[in-house]
Amino acid sequence: RKEVEQDPGPFNVPEGATVAFNCTYSNSASQSFFWYRQDCRKEPKLLMSVYSSGNEDGRFTAQLNRASQYISLLIRDSKLSDSATYLCVVKGGPGNQFYFGTGTSLTVIP
Amino acid sequence: DTGVSQDPRHKITKRGQNVTFRCDPISEHNRLYWYRQTLGQGPEFLTYFQNEAQLEKSRLLSDRFSAERPKGSFSTLEIQRTEQGDSAMYLCASSLGSGGAVNNEQFFGPGTRLTVL
Repeated sequence: RKEVEQDPGPFNVPEGATVAFNCTYSNSASQSFFWYRQDCRKEPKLLMSVYSSGNEDGRFTAQLNRASQYISLLIRDSKLSDSATYLCVVKGGPGNQFYFGTGTSLTVIP
Repeated sequence: DTGVSQDPRHKITKRGQNVTFRCDPISEHNRLYWYRQTLGQGPEFLTYFQNEAQLEKSRLLSDRFSAERPKGSFSTLEIQRTEQGDSAMYLCASSLGSGGAVNNEQFFGPGTRLTVL
């Protein structure tokens, strides 16, 4: 079983739409959670950390559900510039490493 | 530029040759990670250093791969006797870790794209 599982999409949404991504993780002892954004042929960049109480940064909201072992990312009022792959990252598990999901592809359509 | 840098950015080599990549982390970061990423997949962990000590190495990593971080600053990743299946993007990341820190965010370099012919 993979440490982190994501729906690869693709998600194609119109501008202004709200879109949500979910990610599940297998190790209940995982400690840290992140969402990274990766543009085509570029390196991943941190979008936001995910805290137990949930956190919001502008149009982006991240939630953590430890009981069900999933994290989510909500993007409101989608912009064309939001088009990218969104990677779910979990720290913990064997070796206390960072485990990446396969990424969810988002395309925002004019 | 004070971010993570990697060199070279692109490498094309013939099967069987050895290649070496370099990563310079953010200067105050004590942790350094190497990942491999192929098309349509997320980064896959290869190995991790805290200062000069290599603390973790993926079980998926064959013995053709070796990494060093001799002075706890830059790191090198060497692949010996390259195979076509080694073709991928090799990403380096660094973070500032301390004993009690939980959210140790990683900062990635631009990667080295390896093509093995």
